[in-house]
Amino acid sequence: QKEVEQNSGPLSVPEGAIASLNCTYSDRGSQSFFWYRQYSGKSPELIMFIYSNGDKEDGRFTAQLNKASQYVSLLIRDSQPSDSATYLCAVRGSGYALNFGKGTSLLVTP
Amino acid sequence: DVKVTQSSRYLVKRTGEKVFLECVQDMDHENMFWYRQDPGLGLRLIYFSYDVKMKEKGDIPEGYSVSREKKERFSLILESASTNQTSMYLCASRDDYEQYFGPGTRLTVT
Repeated sequence: QKEVEQNSGPLSVPEGAIASLNCTYSDRGSQSFFWYRQYSGKSPELIMFIYSNGDKEDGRFTAQLNKASQYVSLLIRDSQPSDSATYLCAVRGSGYALNFGKGTSLLVTP
Repeated sequence: DVKVTQSSRYLVKRTGEKVFLECVQDMDHENMFWYRQDPGLGLRLIYFSYDVKMKEKGDIPEGYSVSREKKERFSLILESASTNQTSMYLCASRDDYEQYFGPGTRLTVT
């Protein structure tokens, strides 16, 4: 079984702080990595994807990938209350489907 | 604009009924997926299809079947609904980079 592990949270951060969300995966053959955001009662929406080791930045979001450690993270700078949601880490190996973690609940307090 | 639609947002069925969940995408994607999402269990893959009339079992196919007669439409069938199939069902399709989700169908089996 290919595992994707996330801390379920809730992770609580004050408004304006940096939120750090972490994910580990078991399949060393994994090739691409995704972060989805899911608001309560809604379907997941893609925030970022990353394929190569290192950092990838998009606005307030930075994804970090370390394939040697089998670790991917998402940093949210200047966190806003509207960022409060569940964040899903997803991993794709050589196949078609994504393997999802169970998600980390983020709460940004005003 | 990318669009994945699902036939119902909410559905209530009785135990033993045959249930059809429909998903349509307008992006000419080859790959389509059915997931269910349950609290504490995350997103789990039921079935996926990599082309018309082609299908593969996911992690939890028991009690389900699928049909893909046309490229844009992927149907999930509950042959004989049971209470443990009460869940949120999410359809998705993907291009080379991203997996797009429909709005979801919340199914309750009584």
